[in-house]
Amino acid sequence: DAGVIQSPRHEVTEMGQEVTLRCKPISGHDYLFWYRQTMMRGLELLIYFNNNVPIDDSGMPEDRFSAKMPNASFSTLKIQPSEPRDSAVYFCASSLVLSYGYTFGSGTRLTVV
Amino acid sequence: KQEVTQIPAALSVPEGENLVLNCSFTDSAIYNLQWFRQDPGKGLTSLLLIQSSQREQTSGRLNASLDKSSGRSTLYIAASQPGDSATYLCAVSMDSSYKLIFGSGTRLLVRP
Repeated sequence: DAGVIQSPRHEVTEMGQEVTLRCKPISGHDYLFWYRQTMMRGLELLIYFNNNVPIDDSGMPEDRFSAKMPNASFSTLKIQPSEPRDSAVYFCASSLVLSYGYTFGSGTRLTVV
Repeated sequence: KQEVTQIPAALSVPEGENLVLNCSFTDSAIYNLQWFRQDPGKGLTSLLLIQSSQREQTSGRLNASLDKSSGRSTLYIAASQPGDSATYLCAVSMDSSYKLIFGSGTRLLVRP
């Protein structure tokens, strides 16, 4: 298995622009997670899905952030409009069941200038 | 509210030394605890997963222990190598929740 695949690896955008991050989970994993990592706050859960349905989005910072999972093999995290304080590394992770732990992707490093 | 703390924040040791990384959590009602490794600019690699009913897990030179009642876990690395240099993160999941709560990590440098 290729693991959790994220794209792009790096994204540099101007303030106010729309940014879309993409994730392909491990096949067969029913749970998908979006995390954000910053120096100040460490790793924080933004949202997670079970069987393509959002279960907990309490970590989404504000309405500028949205996430979708149209099918079992694809998810997007969108920021519109982007702001400099959104600069961070965004990780996607997937899990088969809680007792099996999590597999993380390589992350997308987002820089908003 | 669950809080996860890792001590020390940074550690530098000579090659060959055995070392222990510490992780503590405030709420003992965890479902499991996972140790990850993160290399600079890279993603997280899962090292060991300990279920709440287990006391330890081993993989090669790594051994992780869990004392749920005292809210502590340790990651023991035997015979450290320069290739072990990375940031080590512990994370807990709570009963009936898939949310992983991370510590801030220990940055390890193993000097040749």
